[in-house]
Amino acid sequence: DIQMTQSPSSLSASVGDRVTITCRASQSISSYLNWYQQKPGKAPKLLIYSASRLQSGVPSRFSGSGSGTDFTLTISSLQPEDFATYYCQQSYSSPWTFGQGTKVEI
Amino acid sequence: EVQLVESGGGLVQSGGSLRLSCAASGFTFSNYWMSWVRQAPGKGLEWVANIKEDGSEKYYVDSVKGRFTISRDSAKNSLYLQMNSLRAEDTALYYCARFNRVAMIGNWFDPWGQGTLVTVS
Repeated sequence: DIQMTQSPSSLSASVGDRVTITCRASQSISSYLNWYQQKPGKAPKLLIYSASRLQSGVPSRFSGSGSGTDFTLTISSLQPEDFATYYCQQSYSSPWTFGQGTKVEI
Repeated sequence: EVQLVESGGGLVQSGGSLRLSCAASGFTFSNYWMSWVRQAPGKGLEWVANIKEDGSEKYYVDSVKGRFTISRDSAKNSLYLQMNSLRAEDTALYYCARFNRVAMIGNWFDPWGQGTLVTVS
């Protein structure tokens, strides 16, 4: 199974900050990497698929990059509604595995 | 509007069974793979099972193989998860999600339902 490791596990930031979350795969997964946002008590929401493709309706302040084993989710200017937990997920091979999550707090 | 609504969760004793349902609307259900993904209380996300558009292929995470069965009924636009021999570690919020697959691009879970809680005592 492919293991996904996110860092940091949590971070504190302020509105307007640039935030970067890293996801590392235990083996190369090309660009088969997705990012989700989950707010408390809500279902996860797809933000980015295929490492860098922005899902329709997602604000452009979210961006993704990377390939191989190292990936990054960047929020260019943190907004109040962005405080949430973010998960990466590999879609290279089954079982489809997620990172442990990164909680973005005030 | 694409919508997924789960039901069937509840409290069950260890060793018991439960059947989850997911009602889909707003898209052509028979054209998509579907999935179940779970989240234990306060924990991360774990993919559980997938089923092909026509039900001919089914895949499971190792921890549920032989105990859980995913199925679908396109006439009812519904997805199911039959869970047998339940264990305490199966306690989680179970999400139904559409599994989107695009060649050379990848696959992803979108959208998700609101989840149904399964508690195994």
